[in-house]
Amino acid sequence: NAGVTQTPKFQVLKTGQSMTLQCAQDMNHEYMSWYRQDPGMGLRLIHYSVGAGITDQGEVPNGYNVSRSTTEDFPLRLLSAAPSQTSVYFCASSPLRDTLGDTQYFGPGTRLTVL
Amino acid sequence: AQKVTQAQTEISVVEKEDVTLDCVYETRDTTYYLFWYKQPPSGELVFLIRRNSFDEQNEISGRYSWNFQKSTSSFNFTITASQVVDSAVYFCALTGAGNNRKLIWGLGTSLAVNP
Repeated sequence: NAGVTQTPKFQVLKTGQSMTLQCAQDMNHEYMSWYRQDPGMGLRLIHYSVGAGITDQGEVPNGYNVSRSTTEDFPLRLLSAAPSQTSVYFCASSPLRDTLGDTQYFGPGTRLTVL
Repeated sequence: AQKVTQAQTEISVVEKEDVTLDCVYETRDTTYYLFWYKQPPSGELVFLIRRNSFDEQNEISGRYSWNFQKSTSSFNFTITASQVVDSAVYFCALTGAGNNRKLIWGLGTSLAVNP
């Protein structure tokens, strides 16, 4: 199993550009999520999904879109990049066996810089 | 509100010393899970342990041990005989009630183990 994979590892964008961060998992996990990690602010949830066709907002969803057409993939779209979106982005997945305590496994991260 | 506090921002030890990383949490939920993750210099997030609120048994895994005390809302992590490879940022996290399974993260403790 490859686990959770993310592409690209690094990306530089100009303000106003759009792009998609890719996330895939091969563990047949129902739950997937996106976090951003910023110095002094820790990790914050952007969006999450509990299964194909079902997505919902986390605590910092503005400026990002997601979709979940398959169990395996959960791309994160930046519609019009802003410098405030400079961050490290992590995708995670977990099964939905337990009420709320299933372990989330993280991808290697994407370091995004918006100029 | 839920909150995780890791009061130690940075710790520096010499190899073979024991070190304890503190984690204090706040939650009104009666059922919750606590986690520790490791983030080495390479940047990925590595799952270390999960503990549910009904299980206060301490756990040992090799040189790692965890002490969970509900009475003081703490979930501390001890590394025995530290090694240079233990140098990383360690995060404590909490999930509670609610459908989004959001992880509430502490800001992390940066551990430097010097030879």
